[in-house]
Amino acid sequence: QVQLVQSGAEVEKPGASVKVSCKASGYTFTDYYIHWVRQAPGQGLEWMGWINPNSGGTNYAQRFQGRVTMTRDTSISTAYMELSRLRSDDTAVYYCARVHYYYSGAYYALLDYWGQGTLVTVSS
Amino acid sequence: EIVLTQSPGTLSLSPGERATLSCRASQSVSSTYLAWYQQKPGQAPRLLIYGASSRATGIPDRFSGSGSGTDFTLTISRLEPEDFAVYYCQQYGSSPAFGGGTKVEIK
Repeated sequence: QVQLVQSGAEVEKPGASVKVSCKASGYTFTDYYIHWVRQAPGQGLEWMGWINPNSGGTNYAQRFQGRVTMTRDTSISTAYMELSRLRSDDTAVYYCARVHYYYSGAYYALLDYWGQGTLVTVSS
Repeated sequence: EIVLTQSPGTLSLSPGERATLSCRASQSVSSTYLAWYQQKPGQAPRLLIYGASSRATGIPDRFSGSGSGTDFTLTISRLEPEDFAVYYCQQYGSSPAFGGGTKVEIK
């Protein structure tokens, strides 16, 4: 069965960087784009961007341009999201999610499998 | 950038009642790219509806979606205890975006 398993919770200081991993299993990793979505405490969902695991191509939401980097390691079916220059308002649960099979090979953010989420706390 | 506004913010209903949730877009959205998700506390979102009106795999038929252009609706025909949650609409074309959510709570 399809599973996305994310790395554990992180606590970082303002100005630092954090890197969250998302290990995929149960399907061919390179066939489906991975998106990253975050959710601040008590708030809604915010789309951050996507990575094409096949080519490594990325597309980031404008508000994260210059601060976010999405990468992948196909040898271990794992995607990564690194966010730099952290601020207190980056405190959130970060999710990776896989594109629905209908959009296999495409970027559309219809997300049917989600990781369990990784809480990133930014605090001095 | 398309902004999605959901209303009401909170819906207080009893089990067995009908729930009607609204999602309004700041500009026209292709119904092909409009989805709804359900999220319960401490859980990741769950895909309910895509293409504005198609139910995702395993979603009960009490959930239905409709709408076009800038106005979309999620209807839960008869609320079950497990349906009390937060619901988000999403446009998943270029520059994806989520609405702010509607919480369906027990009255």
